[in-house]
Amino acid sequence: NAGVTQTPKFRVLKTGQSMTLLCAQDMNHEYMYWYRQDPGMGLRLIHYSVGEGTTAKGEVPDGYNVSRLKKQNFLLGLESAAPSQTSVYFCASSPHTQTLIRTTRAFFGQGTRLTVV
Amino acid sequence: QKEVEQDPGPLSVPEGAIVSLNCTYSNSAFQYFMWYRQYSRKGPELLMYTYSSGNKEDGRFTAQVDKSSKYISLFIRDSQPSDSATYLCATSETSGSRLTFGEGTQLTVNP
Repeated sequence: NAGVTQTPKFRVLKTGQSMTLLCAQDMNHEYMYWYRQDPGMGLRLIHYSVGEGTTAKGEVPDGYNVSRLKKQNFLLGLESAAPSQTSVYFCASSPHTQTLIRTTRAFFGQGTRLTVV
Repeated sequence: QKEVEQDPGPLSVPEGAIVSLNCTYSNSAFQYFMWYRQYSRKGPELLMYTYSSGNKEDGRFTAQVDKSSKYISLFIRDSQPSDSATYLCATSETSGSRLTFGEGTQLTVNP
């Protein structure tokens, strides 16, 4: 029972390099999210997706792109990395619920520690 | 101004103490309130969630929401060293909308 899996777990990039972070979930969740976590800032939403083929901007989208070609995967891309993008990145997924009592229950991956030098 | 404010701590208590963690929020549209626990170098995990105002209890944990004052609380009774973690409050407007997180409070329970 893997849940939400992020790859890679650690990465060091040079300024200007590009990379893609992969998130995979095996719970058949409709919603997927990318957050970054920084000291003093908490978790901030970068981009999210409410279904296969759809993406939307979150709170801090600049410098990032995303794609959701398959329901189970959500990719986060950095086209030209900057030191300000040094952070811990978390992917999360949640089911779409209609019931009044139930609520958004996001399941998080273990995080990707990215350092841009 | 952040939509959800949370004192980052750190908070240090002796084993067995009652812990009170709190958040305030500004968006009246928030209806769902959650608490996540995050151990060091791990992803957050859902601890408790409530809808609208009221209390919810689960073992040693009680979540409380007061929508009139826009105040969210998490109480931990008989705290244990294993409770040492960062606790994040989170809110959302609907059951399917995105979460807005507080900064997180770092808690240490000393044996």
